Amino acid sequence: EAGVAQSPRYKIIEKRQSVAFWCNPISGHATLYWYQQILGQGPKLLIQFQNNGVVDDSQLPKDRFSAERLKGVDSTLKIQPAKLEDSAVYLCASSLGTGFPDTQYFGPGTRLTVL
Amino acid sequence: AQRVTQPEKLLSVFKGAPVELKCNYSYSGSPELFWYVQYSRQRLQLLLRHISRESIKGFTADLNKGETSFHLKKPFAQEEDSAMYYCALISRGFQKLVFGTGTRLLVSP
Repeated sequence: EAGVAQSPRYKIIEKRQSVAFWCNPISGHATLYWYQQILGQGPKLLIQFQNNGVVDDSQLPKDRFSAERLKGVDSTLKIQPAKLEDSAVYLCASSLGTGFPDTQYFGPGTRLTVL
Repeated sequence: AQRVTQPEKLLSVFKGAPVELKCNYSYSGSPELFWYVQYSRQRLQLLLRHISRESIKGFTADLNKGETSFHLKKPFAQEEDSAMYYCALISRGFQKLVFGTGTRLLVSP
């Protein structure tokens, strides 16, 4: 079975620019997650979707970050405008969305560098 | 508040030595705990789940509710075990994963 796909794998931008990341979850997975992993830290959940609805975005900096999951499959995460402290790896994960606990499968991540 | 603490950033052992990666948690409820592993140039992947009570690649982890710990153990380390290990707990309801800061395990020949 194909895993979670993410693109691009690397992105370098200057502060105040905009950037977007794309995620394609495992087929049939209802739940999709975006995590931010800053160097030296564990992943931190930014937003969680169940199908195309948001169930948790409490740690998403909504003044500059936005995410959508149209049609309940692919998702995009956008940062506008980027700050230096947004430099991190952005991980997408997906899970079936049934049962407890629901195992999450991670993509390879997008490494963002903000100069 | 939910929190996972991994006190060691780096654990260095020799091949064949026993390994214990420490994990402590705080959670107001009955937690479900996981260990995730990230090998060099690979994606983060699930190693084992508390609920399964399984042994994967020789690793085991026991939940100690009294000490609020979920330490990962292996009796004889192998070089291929060198990786970054993350302890995580999941909350009921939204099933939000909370990760620790990770421990890098380095197994030398």
